[in-house]
Amino acid sequence: QSAMTQPASVSGSPGQSITISCTGTSSDVGGYNYVSWYQQHPGKAPKLMIYDVTNRPSGVSNRFSGSKSGNTASLTISGLQAEDEADYYCCSYTSSSSLFVFGSGTKVTVL
Amino acid sequence: QLQLQESGPGLVKPSETLSLTCTVSGGSISTSYYYWGWIRQPPGKGLEWIGSISYSGRTYYNPSLKSRVTISADTSNNQFSLKLSSVTAADTAVYYCARHRIVGATPRPWFDAWGLGTLVTVSS
Repeated sequence: QSAMTQPASVSGSPGQSITISCTGTSSDVGGYNYVSWYQQHPGKAPKLMIYDVTNRPSGVSNRFSGSKSGNTASLTISGLQAEDEADYYCCSYTSSSSLFVFGSGTKVTVL
Repeated sequence: QLQLQESGPGLVKPSETLSLTCTVSGGSISTSYYYWGWIRQPPGKGLEWIGSISYSGRTYYNPSLKSRVTISADTSNNQFSLKLSSVTAADTAVYYCARHRIVGATPRPWFDAWGLGTLVTVSS
């Protein structure tokens, strides 16, 4: 099971909105609404930001939102802030021989 | 507040077995609502799910590692463990333990609690 495809990097200015894509297959992203997103700052453990495509855990800012269309899931960060600069990973349930597959990761830079 | 803590050797020789334990505090691993998993991250690279276990011992493994991985649970000590055999330099990574939900009969990729991670280096 190969990693799902994410852009290597995305950047934006403070206050802007950015969107990170996560492209999988019909066996994972396209087949189930079980996609999650993680934020990881350098040297830190990942933090759950979105689960089941669109749901935010308690305590996560509403500037983070998720969506899905076909085999591609997306994470949108609105009102970009300096603290949003981090790596972001998607993760999906898969019906393949594995259980979960992560995306390749996207580095978000706040200009 | 739930806390997870990885422990084990930081240096393992090639061909030997990597062994890590995750100790859970502030909550019990004996719950039907969660699975307990291992994820790793090679230096400068992305996340890779290794495998997961329920408190009853049901396991799921990444097929790319399945032949070398064993995950077990010790409910009496509120711990779960990872063993990875025949390691090579490619297994050098930060290893995380984490909790994820199961809803109905389906494990979900909601890793909502993580350990701090432990770096394991494979070198002679």
